[in-house]
Amino acid sequence: NAGVTQTPKFRVLKTGQSMTLLCAQDMNHEYMYWYRQDPGMGLRLIHYSVGEGTTAKGEVPDGYNVSRLKKQNFLLGLESAAPSQTSVYFCASCYTLSGELFFGEGSRLTVL
Amino acid sequence: QQQVKQSPQSLIVQKGGIPIINCAYENTAFDYFPWYQQFPGKGPALLIAIRPDVSEKKEGRFTISFNKSAKQFSLHIMDSQPGDSATYFCAARAEKNSGGSNYKLTFGKGTLLTVNP
Repeated sequence: NAGVTQTPKFRVLKTGQSMTLLCAQDMNHEYMYWYRQDPGMGLRLIHYSVGEGTTAKGEVPDGYNVSRLKKQNFLLGLESAAPSQTSVYFCASCYTLSGELFFGEGSRLTVL
Repeated sequence: QQQVKQSPQSLIVQKGGIPIINCAYENTAFDYFPWYQQFPGKGPALLIAIRPDVSEKKEGRFTISFNKSAKQFSLHIMDSQPGDSATYFCAARAEKNSGGSNYKLTFGKGTLLTVNP
């Protein structure tokens, strides 16, 4: 049972390049989330999804887009990367709102 | 607006000590308060959680104390060990529907705990 899997784990981009982070969960969870973690800032919610085909904005959505075409996958896209988007990105999922949030191991993105 | 304030930012204790991490919240609709533990290079993982109908919850060496009137909750680690060295996040969620915010956990900024041998 893999849980929550994020790919890639590491990526270096140049300013203006685009990329997509993939999150896959095999637990049949309805709810999925993308967070970014920066030193001293904790975990900040970028976008989330409450079910297949739905997405919603979190605290820091600017510069990011997401899609949830399949229940098990939640994609985070950067259309034109900026150095301010250098961060560690975490995907998470849960079955119910009162249940445990399961996190992936993170994707470290550096934008030069 | 920081809805969950966590302190201290970092904490160093000796093995066997009892580190205490505090969190305060503002939103009275919050009714679920988990703590997450994160080791370097890993994602956070649920450690323990409490709901406001109880004032304390204990799981092994970890205890949450909850003060609803003060809107504060804290994590105590008894007999701390070097293996407890990690970053700890408190969080809060309003589980009843409140404009969509019930879907989201709001996290504190984290506390880096170091337990020296």
